[in-house]
Amino acid sequence: AQKITQTQPGMFVQEKEAVTLDCTYDTSDQSYGLFWYKQPSSGEMIFLIYQGSYDEQNATEGRYSLNFQKARKSANLVISASQLGDSAMYFCAIESQTGANNLFFGTGTRLTVIP
Amino acid sequence: ETGVTQTPRHLVMGMTNKKSLKCEQHLGHNAMYWYKQSAKKPLELMFVYSLEERVENNSVPSRFSPECPNSSHLFLHLHTLQPEDSALYLCASSQDRWGETQYFGPGTRLLVL
Repeated sequence: AQKITQTQPGMFVQEKEAVTLDCTYDTSDQSYGLFWYKQPSSGEMIFLIYQGSYDEQNATEGRYSLNFQKARKSANLVISASQLGDSAMYFCAIESQTGANNLFFGTGTRLTVIP
Repeated sequence: ETGVTQTPRHLVMGMTNKKSLKCEQHLGHNAMYWYKQSAKKPLELMFVYSLEERVENNSVPSRFSPECPNSSHLFLHLHTLQPEDSALYLCASSQDRWGETQYFGPGTRLLVL
């Protein structure tokens, strides 16, 4: 079974500063993928970044980077140079790459960027 | 614009009504998904279709009935719903069933009175 824990219900960050959103996971699988999605108030889940469990380098996509610490089972999202448009819910998810391959989501973190 | 559209965006229905949610993907993907997002709960996977065949049904009540007529379209037929079914219903698609990123639509916000 897969489980995602996001312990920060809400976070605030000053515009142009960096922020880290925490995510820890639990899985017994050897091969898995970790995802971060952004959900603005409009409701759409927007894919941000992916990290495979065998990837040696931390994933980066523009201002997003994933701080992957496999031994600690953490996959924190770092957003650099925050913008007002970054205010949204952020969800961490895990997908097993063996077996059913379903996505399991955490409860999310609401990020508010302060001007 | 992620290439996954959902209609309607908002729906209010009584418990005795029958309605359908529609999802369409323009990405050439082979797998489609229905999720339910309730307040303060993680997204719950409801149904998975791969190449138009239902491959997973996560113990969803029979008042929810999916239909996948082709790889681009996915429907969720609703009948005799309960107020606790009020939620955001999200559709997603991925290239294939295995290890591929899922791309989501904007969701249908459903209110059952």
